[in-house]
Amino acid sequence: DAKTTQPNSMESNEEEPVHLPCNHSTISGTDYIHWYRQLPSQGPEYVIHGLTSNVNNRMASLAIAEDRKSSTLILHRATLRDAAVYYCILSGGSNYKLTFGKGTLLTVNP
Amino acid sequence: GAVVSQHPSRVICKSGTSVKIECRSLDFQATTMFWYRQFPKQSLMLMATSNEGSKATYEQGVEKDKFLINHASLTLSTLTVTSAHPEDSSFYICSASLPDRPSTDTQYFGPGTRLTVL
Repeated sequence: DAKTTQPNSMESNEEEPVHLPCNHSTISGTDYIHWYRQLPSQGPEYVIHGLTSNVNNRMASLAIAEDRKSSTLILHRATLRDAAVYYCILSGGSNYKLTFGKGTLLTVNP
Repeated sequence: GAVVSQHPSRVICKSGTSVKIECRSLDFQATTMFWYRQFPKQSLMLMATSNEGSKATYEQGVEKDKFLINHASLTLSTLTVTSAHPEDSSFYICSASLPDRPSTDTQYFGPGTRLTVL
């Protein structure tokens, strides 16, 4: 499976934007970039996914580098409820599995 | 849309007993469901992939006779932990993928089941 690299932790202030980076230099042409987040004692929650173009939804934006070797999850205005572990995962082709790494623990300060 | 539920949310059992965990897709039909396990302070580890009407595919190192998976309908998969021991205590999470978009691999997760074996 193609690997991703994320910072172990990041901190943000409430109502400020947050940019969560992810490196995936070995991404293949068919790999989708997925972001999930997990709040304490809960199952992961789907955030966003993309292939080549930048994507927006009600939760976040996903900016994908032109060479696709990195991406950034953007939370436009962090709230205390956004404090979670954020996972960047590659998956694609006939392999439907998601391989979770350690993710980035986001702390949001009031 | 794409809601997945799990039952029970929490279970405590004695060593040697079996525990069944249910995973349901509430508003869609899931041809593929996944079972994960998460130990404290660790990430999710995929245990098995379950396809409706066929045998589950287990990840390396996961004992299929200990973790029985049944996916009898398009909305229900069950995981039975047989002869549970304290080392099986963990957070068990299921997920399901949308049948019309399997190639994107997006999965929707249940809230998890906390199993404690005494």
